[in-house]
Amino acid sequence: GAVVSQHPSWVICKSGTSVKIECRSLDFQATTMFWYRQFPKQSLMLMATSNEGSKATYEQGVEKDKFLINHASLTLSTLTVTSAHPEDSSFYICSAHRQGHEQFFGPGTRLTVL
Amino acid sequence: KQEVTQIPAALSVPEGENLVLNCSFTDSAIYNLQWFRQDPGKGLTSLLLIQSSQREQTSGRLNASLDKSSGRSTLYIAASQPGDSATYLCAVRGTLTGANSKLTFGKGITLSVRP
Repeated sequence: GAVVSQHPSWVICKSGTSVKIECRSLDFQATTMFWYRQFPKQSLMLMATSNEGSKATYEQGVEKDKFLINHASLTLSTLTVTSAHPEDSSFYICSAHRQGHEQFFGPGTRLTVL
Repeated sequence: KQEVTQIPAALSVPEGENLVLNCSFTDSAIYNLQWFRQDPGKGLTSLLLIQSSQREQTSGRLNASLDKSSGRSTLYIAASQPGDSATYLCAVRGTLTGANSKLTFGKGITLSVRP
C-alpha cells in the first residue's frame, strides 16, 4: 500500500513552546490530508481536514489558532501545536487520501508536554 | 450524524480459532467502509476497503463483508495467530461530499490471540 510518513515520531517539549509535526505522502499525491488525535484506549478523533492550497476545515471544538495546519503541497502537510500545554499531550496521526482510493495513515507522533 | 459501533470492546481467543469481528453503523448512505489494524503505539494499517456497491473483499486470511441496508459489516479472520493480536478499527466514509468526505471510526475491538 501507499506510504505516509510522519516526523518526528515522538517529541517532548516544555509547556508554552510550539511543536511542528510533518506529514508526507511518499509515493502518491494526496487529494486531502486529515489530522487526528488519539487518547489512550480511545478511537481516533478527527481534528481537521485540509486540501492543498486552501484553508483547513476544523472539527467542532478544535481551536484553529492553537492547531495550525499548513498544506503546502500535494505531498506535505504540517500541524503546529502552538503554546503547548500538558493537556495537549496525545498521539497525533495524519492521513493522506487520494480521491476514489483508500485512506492511508502515518505511523503517528507521540507528543508529551511537560 | 453517523455513529459506528464495535462490540465487544475486547476479545480473547485461542490460536487457530476462526473469528468474526462486528461493526455496525447508523446511516446506510455510505461511500465505502474500511477496516484497519492498529498495534499499540502505532499508526493504522489498512486491511480491507469495501466500496458501497460491493458485498465483500478478501485478502489472505481476512474477509470483510458489507450489508449496507442493515448497516453492518463483519471482518472474518481465519485460523487466528498470535500475530493477529491488535486493535481492529472499522470506519465508514459518508457521501456528503463524495470521495473526500471524512471517515467515522468505531472505538475498535482489541483482539488477543493466545498461543
